[in-house]
Amino acid sequence: NAGVTQTPKFRVLKTGQSMTLLCAQDMNHEYMYWYRQDPGMGLRLIHYSVGEGTTAKGEVPDGYNVSRLKKQNFLLGLESAAPSQTSVYFCASRLGQGAGLVGDIQYFGAGTRLSVL
Amino acid sequence: AQSVTQLDSHVSVSEGTPVLLRCNYSSSYSPSLFWYVQHPNKGLQLLLKYTSAATLVKGINGFEAEFKKSETSFHLTKPSAHMSDAAEYFCVVPPGTSYDKVIFGPGTSLSVIP
Repeated sequence: NAGVTQTPKFRVLKTGQSMTLLCAQDMNHEYMYWYRQDPGMGLRLIHYSVGEGTTAKGEVPDGYNVSRLKKQNFLLGLESAAPSQTSVYFCASRLGQGAGLVGDIQYFGAGTRLSVL
Repeated sequence: AQSVTQLDSHVSVSEGTPVLLRCNYSSSYSPSLFWYVQHPNKGLQLLLKYTSAATLVKGINGFEAEFKKSETSFHLTKPSAHMSDAAEYFCVVPPGTSYDKVIFGPGTSLSVIP
């Protein structure tokens, strides 16, 4: 059982380049999330999805786009990378099925370290 | 609105001494609360969770936390620190029935001195 898998693990970009981060989960989870983690700022939510074909903005969505064409995959795109997007990116998923499922667990990927020069 | 405060950004303890990482929450109702741990260069792992059952919750690696509604606290403790406990710890309010997002505390970095 792989859980949540993020690819790539590391990437270096030049300013203005584009790239896509892939998150895949094999737990049939409905909800998926993209976070960025920066020193002293904890985790901040970029975008999230409550099901296949749906996406929503989080706290810091500017400069990012996402897609959830398949339930198991959640893609994070950077159209024109900027140095301010240098960060560690985490994907997470949770079951989220049915009202009243309070407190179900988020499972996290191992992270993607992105540097934008 | 719900929020989580972790009172210490950094805690340093000697190996073998007790660990206390503090978390306070603000909520209009009794929330569920989790602690996650993140070891260096790793993803986040669930340490323990409180979901309105027993107020004293035991987690992995000898950690436990007690939910105290009167103090709006959910402090994480361990009787004896081990070198492998050095990590970042996050107090978290998980998604509920009326909201989708996870609320993270800012994190506490735990150092263990040999």
